[in-house]
Amino acid sequence: QQQVKQSPQSLIVQKGGISIINCAYENTAFDYFPWYQQFPGKGPALLIAIRPDVSEKKEGRFTISFNKSAKQFSLHIMDSQPGDSATYFCAATPALIGGGADGLTFGKGTHLIIQP
Amino acid sequence: NAGVTQTPKFRILKIGQSMTLQCTQDMNHNYMYWYRQDPGMGLKLIYYSVGAGITDKGEVPNGYNVSRSTTEDFPLRLELAAPSQTSVYFCASSRAGGLGYNYGYTFGSGTRLTVV
Repeated sequence: QQQVKQSPQSLIVQKGGISIINCAYENTAFDYFPWYQQFPGKGPALLIAIRPDVSEKKEGRFTISFNKSAKQFSLHIMDSQPGDSATYFCAATPALIGGGADGLTFGKGTHLIIQP
Repeated sequence: NAGVTQTPKFRILKIGQSMTLQCTQDMNHNYMYWYRQDPGMGLKLIYYSVGAGITDKGEVPNGYNVSRSTTEDFPLRLELAAPSQTSVYFCASSRAGGLGYNYGYTFGSGTRLTVV
């Protein structure tokens, strides 16, 4: 079964610190790796995504680092703010040759708390 | 622009009852998905559809059925509800492009279902 393993399960970071969430995958056919942010009572929302042809992607305070040989990718949140407190999910999916859709495989999530 | 709309937001069912969770999107996305989210377990794919008239099973399809008669609507049917179906259900949609990559999912706000 395709899996994406996410750690840690929960994380507490002081305001202004760096939050780091890690994911590892097994299926070498995966080649699209998004991160989703979910606030209580809401659906997940796409935060940032990367494809394996680059090793890093940065959008504002959020950075994905990707290590294809290790089959690992991570989310870094710089200058973490209380408003970043949420659950974060990593995910992966194979390339959709021929236009088919397999759906995203999600990690189990990380509950992030930023303390003021 | 409403995005993905799910109804109802909350529902309590008795064991053995049936119901339909409604999902509609106004973004003209070809691909639609149903996920369930259980605490500490991430999101698991129930069914997906790549277009009107085409549906396929995901990771956890047992006890559910779907149909896709239009691009906009993707209802999820629960037959003979069981306590194991107590969960939060999310509908999502995406477009495909280029080599078939999904360019991020848009999720609805979810339906919280309790089976007693």
